Amino acid sequence: EPEVTQTPSHQVTQMGQEVILRCVPISNHLYFYWYRQILGQKVEFLVSFYNNEISEKSEIFDDQFSVERPDGSNFTLKIRSTKLEDSAMYFCASRAGTDFSSYEQYFGPGTRLTVT
Amino acid sequence: AQTVTQSQPEMSVQEAETVTLSCTYDTSESDYYLFWYKQPPSRQMILVIRQEAYKQQNATENRFSVNFQKAAKSFSLKISDSQLGDAAMYFCAYRWAGGGADGLTFGKGTHLIIQP
Repeated sequence: EPEVTQTPSHQVTQMGQEVILRCVPISNHLYFYWYRQILGQKVEFLVSFYNNEISEKSEIFDDQFSVERPDGSNFTLKIRSTKLEDSAMYFCASRAGTDFSSYEQYFGPGTRLTVT
Repeated sequence: AQTVTQSQPEMSVQEAETVTLSCTYDTSESDYYLFWYKQPPSRQMILVIRQEAYKQQNATENRFSVNFQKAAKSFSLKISDSQLGDAAMYFCAYRWAGGGADGLTFGKGTHLIIQP
């Protein structure tokens, strides 16, 4: 069965460094998402992406964050200058369909980002 | 803003018994979707069951069923005949049914333990 994959599974970086988290959504899906979960807290929505542009973003998704679909398969989340509070599990998700009847989001296993 | 509350951080049930996980939410919208996601240890989240707010009938998927009380803004998950493979974190999630805004709002999760 097709799955969303994410790399790396764990990323350690120093404060102030740029990181890129990578995701390969399910191949025929059209909607892409990033979420994060700080340890012990809720899973929080960051951004959704459709037709090569951001369709929705949360307050968390400030100018330090950006997303890109550089080719037909990858979907990336870039954090320009990481802060300690960016340490979290980051989940990618994708959804099929051109209308909201296909509402299931398929999640990847996550990338654990540790900022030191 | 929408909020989702899961008041049970952890629940424990004997194998083959029935357990109910609670979820309440707050929204001013009338048309929305509700979901229960399961996250086994070190695995990705998978959708267990979904409910459209406009449907009065409670959703069921094999051993999983929901009790959707729209007026009370309550959406509980019942797992019948619990199995060891049901052990996981369970997340309740909400999504507005309107166009464009399809990021999920999650609760904090309930850790379900199955006692053999």
